[in-house]
Amino acid sequence: DTGVSQNPRHKITKRGQNVTFRCDPISEHNRLYWYRQTLGQGPEFLTYFQNEAQLEKSRLLSDRFSAERPKGSFSTLEIQRTEQGDSAMYLCASVGSGSLNTGELFFGEGSRLTVL
Amino acid sequence: AQSVTQLGSHVSVSEGALVLLRCNYSSSVPPYLFWYVQYPNQGLQLLLKYTSAATLVKGINGFEAEFKKSETSFHLTKPSAHMSDAAEYFCAVSSGNTPLVFGKGTRLSVIA
Repeated sequence: DTGVSQNPRHKITKRGQNVTFRCDPISEHNRLYWYRQTLGQGPEFLTYFQNEAQLEKSRLLSDRFSAERPKGSFSTLEIQRTEQGDSAMYLCASVGSGSLNTGELFFGEGSRLTVL
Repeated sequence: AQSVTQLGSHVSVSEGALVLLRCNYSSSVPPYLFWYVQYPNQGLQLLLKYTSAATLVKGINGFEAEFKKSETSFHLTKPSAHMSDAAEYFCAVSSGNTPLVFGKGTRLSVIA
């Protein structure tokens, strides 16, 4: 399977704990996005990378959130000191140069976080 | 700034009936428009996209959408609903260089 892969698919944690999600984009896709989706809402943009450079961060990305893409391939999204309001589906998407000028994204299946 | 409004958070149709999901957008530049579908506990799958070519766009699973600039709309239709069409549908807009902005979604139920 050469699609976008996200791990873990589900994570249950206690308030105050740290969690990390990983995203492996489609091979050779140089742009990678993170979105958050809460129940009954559409995906909301968090941040994106062009290769290893983080080019834009949303106001939704508080200082407890950090994302990295160290070698321009996979990316991690870490949430420190989790709060119940962080419970959501975290979606990763990637795009290659061919689709760059239309904005079309290819999504993974998401990582669902539940904070107790 | 770009935005999308999806009218109706929930639409229910009978199997075999017409599906119409409404989307209106706001954009200061010529937009690229998308419809994505999401099944429970899954990611988003692209149904179709408008990228300034033909205004009537055909997608997968018999869906199509028409870009109407004068109405700033991009409504999604399917002539005959199937049980497997039951899912959440999201309309999204981009300028090409900006991250996709999504609507809040419309949940489609299909009644046998």
